[in-house]
Amino acid sequence: NAGVTQTPKFQVLKTGQSMTLQCAQDMNHNSMYWYRQDPGMGLRLIYYSASEGTTDKGEVPNGYNVSRLNKREFSLRLESAAPSQTSVYFCASSERLANPRYTQYFGPGTRLTVL
Amino acid sequence: AQSVSQHNHHVILSEAASLELGCNYSYGGTVNLFWYVQYPGQHLQLLLKYFSGDPLVKGIKGFEAEFIKSKFSFNLRKPSVQWSDTAEYFCAVRTREFSGGYNKLIFGAGTRLAVHP
Repeated sequence: NAGVTQTPKFQVLKTGQSMTLQCAQDMNHNSMYWYRQDPGMGLRLIYYSASEGTTDKGEVPNGYNVSRLNKREFSLRLESAAPSQTSVYFCASSERLANPRYTQYFGPGTRLTVL
Repeated sequence: AQSVSQHNHHVILSEAASLELGCNYSYGGTVNLFWYVQYPGQHLQLLLKYFSGDPLVKGIKGFEAEFIKSKFSFNLRKPSVQWSDTAEYFCAVRTREFSGGYNKLIFGAGTRLAVHP
């Protein structure tokens, strides 16, 4: 039982390049999330997927797109990377959002640098 | 807007010292409260959570937290820290206020704890 896994662990991009961050969970969770972590700012929600087939914007969605490929997988895409997107990206999953006691479990993170 | 404040950004302690990390939130309604820990190079792990009932919550690795509703606080404590507790600690609060169908989970900025042998 690996929990939440993310690839890659590290990535360096040039401004304007694109890339996709992959996330998978094996806990049979319905809901998945993408956060970015910046120094002094905690974690901020980029996008979330309440269930397979649905995605919604979080606090900071600009410059990102997501795909909920199936129940297990939730990817985050940067179409044209900018230096402001240099950050650590975390994927998380949880029981159904409708469950008032849902708890989020996090992946190991992807450290992205945009030059 | 709801917010979560962690007043101590960096804390340095010697082994065996007692620890208390502050967490305050701004929301007047029902909340669920969490503490997560991030060890160097690792992902966030859940330390403990409070949903209801006894306001003193015990978590893993000897940590506990106390929910004081009147103070809007959920401080994390440990009586005697170890070098292995060196990590970053995040408080998170979930309110019952829906935003686009989502019960928002709001994180504090984190507190970096360094424990010296």
